[in-house]
Amino acid sequence: GQQLNQSPQSMFIQEGEDVSMNCTSSSIFNTWLWYKQEPGEGPVLLIALYKAGELTSNGRLTAQFGITRKDSFLNISASIPSDVGIYFCAGRLESTGTASKLTFGTGTRLQVTL
Amino acid sequence: KAGVTQTPRYLIKTRGQQVTLSCSPISGHRSVSWYQQTPGQGLQFLFEYFSETQRNKGNFPGRFSGRQFSNSRSEMNVSTLELGDSALYLCASRDSTGELFFGEGSRLTVL
Repeated sequence: GQQLNQSPQSMFIQEGEDVSMNCTSSSIFNTWLWYKQEPGEGPVLLIALYKAGELTSNGRLTAQFGITRKDSFLNISASIPSDVGIYFCAGRLESTGTASKLTFGTGTRLQVTL
Repeated sequence: KAGVTQTPRYLIKTRGQQVTLSCSPISGHRSVSWYQQTPGQGLQFLFEYFSETQRNKGNFPGRFSGRQFSNSRSEMNVSTLELGDSALYLCASRDSTGELFFGEGSRLTVL
């Protein structure tokens, strides 16, 4: 099945550092979502983006919907240990009855050291 | 408000057997979707049910099936299990305007 290209694949950073990750697709989407998954848990929605060029923040997290509609970016500022996990982007091209069909990225594994 | 509940959390089966997984959505959510998560293929959409009808389907063989009951609870079934079916199966629910809320998943191991 299709997966979106997410980079970097993994990151090892120190507490307090900023983090950037991105997601690219060969096709356009009209919704971009960012999820975080921790061990033994399901993905949890962090940010939703609905309009090309949109910039949205959720606390220390900021995400952008690329103007080409083929990419999205997530930034985490001043990382803390609880930011550890796998971050997934997801794209959706909605039509009737497809609102729940997401195409996920390959994931970025984030490790934070003290 | 309780989240999405999936049972069982863990199970082990052997090749050729079948398995049924259950999902109770968030109260008031009528749409239930299923995803398969594996290290190699990542998160892949299986299917979505809304008002007891399958509304959308991913690219999985016919061995993968599901259903939804009148109370919005859903089950998915995998018949004639193969080693490659070992995965975390995630259920997600949504209301008419919101995004997906995922459960913790059912981890299936096929031996």
